[in-house]
Amino acid sequence: NAGVMQNPRHLVRRRGQEARLRCSPMKGHSHVYWYRQLPEEGLKFMVYLQKENIIDESGMPKERFSAEFPKEGPSILRIQQVVRGDSAAYFCASSPWGQVGAYEQYFGPGTRLTVT
Amino acid sequence: DAKTTQPPSMDCAEGRAANLPCNHSTISGNEYVYWYRQIHSQGPQYIIHGLKNNETNEMASLIITEDRKSSTLILPHATLRDTAVYYCIVSTDAGNMLTFGGGTRLMVKP
Repeated sequence: NAGVMQNPRHLVRRRGQEARLRCSPMKGHSHVYWYRQLPEEGLKFMVYLQKENIIDESGMPKERFSAEFPKEGPSILRIQQVVRGDSAAYFCASSPWGQVGAYEQYFGPGTRLTVT
Repeated sequence: DAKTTQPPSMDCAEGRAANLPCNHSTISGNEYVYWYRQIHSQGPQYIIHGLKNNETNEMASLIITEDRKSSTLILPHATLRDTAVYYCIVSTDAGNMLTFGGGTRLMVKP
């Protein structure tokens, strides 16, 4: 069973360009989470999605950032008009669906975004 | 979610048990204790979780005090590859984000 996959692993963008980060959850997982890790800092939650629904986007910056998890295909984190402060590692995690109980999150290898 | 407190760093000799403490004195009844680790700049790796009872899996053991205000992660025979930042997180059940604090930087030394 393949783990969480993210691509690209490294992405370089010039200021003002768009960055598009992809995440394919583990097979059978219908919950996706995005986290950001700025250099020398801890991971910060950004957004939680289920298929075709954004459940919690309390950690998303109000502007330029958006996320989706369509019925078919990977989850996408889009950053429009990137700035140098967006340079970070972006991690995606997935967990299985369940009504009750604790469900661990499985993380992908991350996408390292560098804005020049 | 409840706040956790962990020592910023610890050392452990290779082959010995590593005992990583975590305080979560404001934990509520429906919150689980999770442990993750991040090796260098890789994606965090799930280790173990528990609610009330002690738990053990192939990676580690989790000891939760009876009042649930603190816990200890035990790596029974630490290896150099266990060098990582270990995060103790308390969270309610499925569908909740993880709030990562500073963690404990464990250095396993030969």
